[in-house]
Amino acid sequence: AQTVTQSQPEMSVQEAETVTLSCTYDTSESDYYLFWYKQPPSRQMILVIRQEAYKQQNATENRFSVNFQKAAKSFSLKISDSQLGDAAMYFCAYRSQGGSEKLVFGKGTKLTVNP
Amino acid sequence: KAGVTQTPRYLIKTRGQQVTLSCSPISGHRSVSWYQQTPGQGLQFLFEYFSETQRNKGNFPGRFSGRQFSNSRSEMNVSTLELGDSALYLCASSLRPLSSYEQYFGPGTRLTVT
Repeated sequence: AQTVTQSQPEMSVQEAETVTLSCTYDTSESDYYLFWYKQPPSRQMILVIRQEAYKQQNATENRFSVNFQKAAKSFSLKISDSQLGDAAMYFCAYRSQGGSEKLVFGKGTKLTVNP
Repeated sequence: KAGVTQTPRYLIKTRGQQVTLSCSPISGHRSVSWYQQTPGQGLQFLFEYFSETQRNKGNFPGRFSGRQFSNSRSEMNVSTLELGDSALYLCASSLRPLSSYEQYFGPGTRLTVT
């Protein structure tokens, strides 16, 4: 079974600074998807960024980028120019390429943005 | 386009009772998944449905069940409620399974069992 580990329960960053959230996963599959989801205090889970395992290029979405290291099974999220609205719980998630929509989530990292 | 809607948003039940939660996916989405979120266990997969068929089920007791209707709306039912069932129940929809399509989450139903 796949597992996802987020080793940082809480992180804080100053507004306008850069922060990196860590995620490692364990799988025996070669093809899969990785995601970072954001859950603000209002509880609506929002997709931040997605990475297909077969793609070597790291995904980027505006201020959000990932460092995907397939061999090391590592998938970190970098948030540049942090904004107050980035404060939320961030969940790393894994999904197999085929057979199921099931997402396996990490325990999450609570990000605080200080003004 | 309206997002995923879940009803009710909040619910208080007593141990031993049963509860039904509803999820309406985004228009055109045919795949619905359910998750339970608790502080201790985090986010755990319950089940997923596509075209009224359960395609996958998580490791939950048989008290947890679900179904999907022809209009893709889904319901989940928990019978004989236990205190440990108190959680935020999230529903997610996507265009179709076996794809890289994004899953969109609803706001959740907060269930409190007393």
